[in-house]
Amino acid sequence: DAGVIQSPRHEVTEMGQEVTLRCKPISGHNSLFWYRQTMMRGLELLIYFNNNVPIDDSGMPEDRFSAKMPNASFSTLKIQPSEPRDSAVYFCASSFRTSGGPPDTQYFGPGTRLTVL
Amino acid sequence: AQTVTQSQPEMSVQEAETVTLSCTYDTSESDYYLFWYKQPPSRQMILVIRQEAYKQQNATENRFSVNFQKAAKSFSLKISDSQLGDAAMYFCAYRRAQGGSEKLVFGKGMKLTVNP
Repeated sequence: DAGVIQSPRHEVTEMGQEVTLRCKPISGHNSLFWYRQTMMRGLELLIYFNNNVPIDDSGMPEDRFSAKMPNASFSTLKIQPSEPRDSAVYFCASSFRTSGGPPDTQYFGPGTRLTVL
Repeated sequence: AQTVTQSQPEMSVQEAETVTLSCTYDTSESDYYLFWYKQPPSRQMILVIRQEAYKQQNATENRFSVNFQKAAKSFSLKISDSQLGDAAMYFCAYRRAQGGSEKLVFGKGMKLTVNP
């Protein structure tokens, strides 16, 4: 079975440019998470969706960041305009949650390493 | 807010020996899940083991086992018969069981080196 798929694996861009990161969750999973990993702050949740609806976006740093999940098999994280401090590894993860039940284990994609010059 | 602390930033172990990685957490919840994730140089986050707080029995997965002390809010990972492939960053993580956010709260991680 395919795991969580992220693209691109590496992205190098210049300050001020728009960056779009993409994620395809594991088929059948209904929760999708975006995490960011930096040396200073470690791993932290940016936003997560359940059944394509954003549930917790308290970790989204500022208005330059936006995330969408137009359908159950695709999500994007967009940064516009990008800044050097956005350089990090961005992970997408997915899990399955039954209605009224506890969420299952989160499975991570390989991550996108973003470098903003 | 829940916090997870991994106080040892680095550890090393000889191949075939046993090593224990420590983790403490702070929560006011009574039901929750704890996880250990491994991140090798490939940076892929790989689930190692999971513990449900309401279960008193410590979880085990082959060479990996945990020592879960709920009252002390401690969750250590024991790796037996260490192998070179165990070298990685290890992250302890917490998640609520019911209600509220599903997010994982991670510790800062610990780098494990396995010496041949």
